[in-house]
Amino acid sequence: EMVMTQSPDTMSVSPGETATLSCRASQSLSSNLAWYQRKPGQAPRLLIYDTSTRATGIPARFSGSGSGTEFTLTISSLQSEDLAVYYCQQYDYWPPEGSFGQGTKLEIK
Amino acid sequence: EVQLVESGGGLVQPGGSLRLSCVSSDFTFSSHSMNWVRQAPGKGLEWVAYISSRSTTIYYRDSVKGRFTVSRDNAKNSLYLQMSNLRVEDTAVYYCARKIDIVGATPFGPNDYWGQGTLVSVSS
Repeated sequence: EMVMTQSPDTMSVSPGETATLSCRASQSLSSNLAWYQRKPGQAPRLLIYDTSTRATGIPARFSGSGSGTEFTLTISSLQSEDLAVYYCQQYDYWPPEGSFGQGTKLEIK
Repeated sequence: EVQLVESGGGLVQPGGSLRLSCVSSDFTFSSHSMNWVRQAPGKGLEWVAYISSRSTTIYYRDSVKGRFTVSRDNAKNSLYLQMSNLRVEDTAVYYCARKIDIVGATPFGPNDYWGQGTLVSVSS
């Protein structure tokens, strides 16, 4: 069973700075990895899929990278509205148990 | 703008049943596979069920097989989740989500649009 581990669990970043969120897979993946943003009280929002493809309407300051077992979501020029929990999801392997990471809570200083 | 609106959640006793609905708008519902995803209180996201655009392919996570049934009515732009023999551990916010169909990807992701969710509480 795949295990997706995100780090850190919580991070605090100042506006204007860059946040780097990590997602590690227990087995090597192809490019089938997505990132979602979950703001308080809102539905999850797809940010990135296929490791580095931005979803419709997602600004360029959100970028994804990585390969194998190590993947990264980078948020540059951080804004207060980026306060959210960010989840990675692999869609490469069955079973789906463990396909989502546990989430990284991004706080704005 | 693409919209997905869930309804049908509520409080139910263990062993009870509920039917969730998800109504879509502003996209061609019949062209898209759909997923149900849930999030239990204090827990992470968890995929529940998948249905292809014409209902020809359906998948469930192991823990809900035989208890949950996913269906859709493309004429009504609607997705459903019939839940029976509910357990305490089924307590969660249930989201419907539109899947992006990618060659080589499993059915449970990625999902580009999500509803706001409906809360299912299973408790005696």
